[in-house]
Amino acid sequence: DTAVSQTPKYLVTQMGNDKSIKCEQNLGHDTMYWYKQDSKKFLKIMFSYNNKELIINETVPNRFSPKSPDKAHLNLHINSLELGDSAVYFCASSQGRFTNQPQHFGDGTRLSIL
Amino acid sequence: DQQVKQNSPSLSVQEGRISILNCDYTNSMFDYFLWYKKYPAEGPTFLISISSIKDKNEDGRFTVFLNKSAKHLSLHIVPSQPGDSAVYFCAAKPWEGAQKLVFGQGTRLTINP
Repeated sequence: DTAVSQTPKYLVTQMGNDKSIKCEQNLGHDTMYWYKQDSKKFLKIMFSYNNKELIINETVPNRFSPKSPDKAHLNLHINSLELGDSAVYFCASSQGRFTNQPQHFGDGTRLSIL
Repeated sequence: DQQVKQNSPSLSVQEGRISILNCDYTNSMFDYFLWYKKYPAEGPTFLISISSIKDKNEDGRFTVFLNKSAKHLSLHIVPSQPGDSAVYFCAAKPWEGAQKLVFGQGTRLTINP
């Protein structure tokens, strides 16, 4: 029983396409995140939602749009994909907005742009 | 401008010996630090954390040391086991309840039998 699950695991697509990555957590957490791990291996936060409210929105192109239909799901939609979007995208979740509870990560989605 | 740096991309240690992974940070506002462990094709998993009010935190074979004046922390694993072979990420945030984690680029630890 996977705690934080992302689909798809791999995504290969062409430049200019629009794609979505889905994330679901069954931990009962109320806060979810999207991270991007680039070619230099740094994990950088992109967005965070708490109870469906956007609380962190880092400097990310407008082509990236997160959507949280409920607190167990946080999807990431990317328009007009560019070569630089190739990366591994990780979803994570944690309990509480201002707590020291650790973040739990999914296994990542490897996005490759041709 | 990377605020959290792990300057050793890789480290190789013999089984049973001590593994020491290092992490430096530049932002003096960081007050809470975490280590995550990552196996291939999996997401990072939380290992251990430390608040700036402490200089050491232990959990079994894992100990994290914090030197605030040097803006440096280290993770010690004793004794090292083959299952410890993974990539270790250091992360920091400005206070214990903050959501935003800033990660280093990771150190790949290999434990040799």
